[in-house]
Amino acid sequence: EVQLVQSGAEVKKPGESLKISCKGSGYSFTSYWIGWVRQMPGKGLEWMGIIYPGDSDTRYSPSFQGQVTISADKSISTAYLQWSSLKASDTAMYYCARHPRDGYNFFDYWGQGTLVTVSS
Amino acid sequence: DIQMTQSPSSLSASVGDRVTITCRASQSISSYLNWYQQKPGKAPKLLIYAASSLQSGVPSRFSGSGSGTDFTLTISSLQPEDFATYYCQQSYSTAYSFGQGTKLEIK
Repeated sequence: EVQLVQSGAEVKKPGESLKISCKGSGYSFTSYWIGWVRQMPGKGLEWMGIIYPGDSDTRYSPSFQGQVTISADKSISTAYLQWSSLKASDTAMYYCARHPRDGYNFFDYWGQGTLVTVSS
Repeated sequence: DIQMTQSPSSLSASVGDRVTITCRASQSISSYLNWYQQKPGKAPKLLIYAASSLQSGVPSRFSGSGSGTDFTLTISSLQPEDFATYYCQQSYSTAYSFGQGTKLEIK
């Protein structure tokens, strides 16, 4: 069974750093892209970026380039999303999801989401 | 970047109704269009990919059509479990942007 399991909710202060995770199982982790999607409270979905764990090829949305870092450790089938200095506006639910290497690039399996709250 | 615009933003309908949601891309995306359903407090769920291909396990009352810039998601006969928010997504060019969502509510 394909599963993406994300790390738990986080409460942080502005300026702090954070790294959240997404662990894949039940499939070949190095053969699918993993993407990150932001959903701010009461708002829609925003595509942040993707990584191909097989070769660490990474693409970012211009809106998120320089604001976050996406990485992966294929030895433990885990992808990461990290911030070096959080802002209150980073408060959101963050989802990871996978999509096939080739073809129509749809997200077919999703993690359960990680809620990040940034407040002083 | 490719902008995706959905209409309507919200929609009230009754069980049994036929419902259509529209998604328009700011430039041609061929058939690189996906539809997702999201219920409150849950992760999105893939319904349709490549504009018209039904994801495994999704009921056949859901269908998608279109190519180029204009696409539609149709639910042929609404069921109680279909009341949710629906998003289109273009996967033609990174960033694979989403539409703003259509909230489908019970009339």
